[in-house]
Amino acid sequence: DVKVTQSSRYLVKRTGEKVFLECVQDMDHENMFWYRQDPGLGLRLIYFSYDVKMKEKGDIPEGYSVSREKKERFSLILESASTNQTSMYLCASSARGNRNTEAFFGQGTRLTVV
Amino acid sequence: AQRVTQPEKLLSVFKGAPVELKCNYSYSGSPELFWYVQYSRQRLQLLLRHISRESIKGFTADLNKGETSFHLKKPFAQEEDSAMYYCALKGSASKIIFGSGTRLSIRP
Repeated sequence: DVKVTQSSRYLVKRTGEKVFLECVQDMDHENMFWYRQDPGLGLRLIYFSYDVKMKEKGDIPEGYSVSREKKERFSLILESASTNQTSMYLCASSARGNRNTEAFFGQGTRLTVV
Repeated sequence: AQRVTQPEKLLSVFKGAPVELKCNYSYSGSPELFWYVQYSRQRLQLLLRHISRESIKGFTADLNKGETSFHLKKPFAQEEDSAMYYCALKGSASKIIFGSGTRLSIRP
C-alpha cells in the first residue's frame, strides 16, 4: 500500500514561531508537493519539487520555504508563522515523466497559528 | 498559465438523479486532467483520469478540448457519492494544480 505520511495531524503554534511540516513518501517518487486547503479556495500549490534539492514556486509561495535533502522527504517551513497561515496543509507525491501518473496524498496537517 | 475553474461550490441533488460537476481549464499545451475525491475524514484520492477513459463508481468524464472542459458525470446519484470533488490539471514540469472544489450532497 502506497504511503505519504505527514508528521503531525494537528499543530498549534504562536505568531512569529518558525514551523516545520514534514512529509515522507515510500514510493520512490521524484515529485513532491505542498498545498494548502481552504474552504472555498480549494487546494493551492505552495511549492513543489521534482528532484532532490530542486524546488519550484507554486501559486502562493510567500511566507513559506521548502527543503528536499533526501528523495523521500519534503519539508515545508514557515519562517515566521502568521495567523493567515492557519490552514490545512496537504503533502503529495507523484512519479515523474510517464503520462497517467496520479498524485498520492498525505492525511493532512491542520495548523492553527494563534 | 495553468488554471482550473470549478464554478459550483455546492451541488445538491436527490438520490437517483443525474449528477454533473463542471470543470473548465486553461492551458496552452496538452494537459492531463484528473478528478480527485475527498470523502469525510479521508484523505484526498484519485477518482479518474482522462487518459484512461474509464468509469469509476459509475462516474465518467470526457475531455472536450474545444470547450476546454472536463465535466464529471454520473447518471444516477447514490448517497455514498456525497463528498468534496476536485478537478486537477497536470501541465508542464509535472506541476499539478487543482480547482476550488465542489461539495456534492446527495439527498435521500
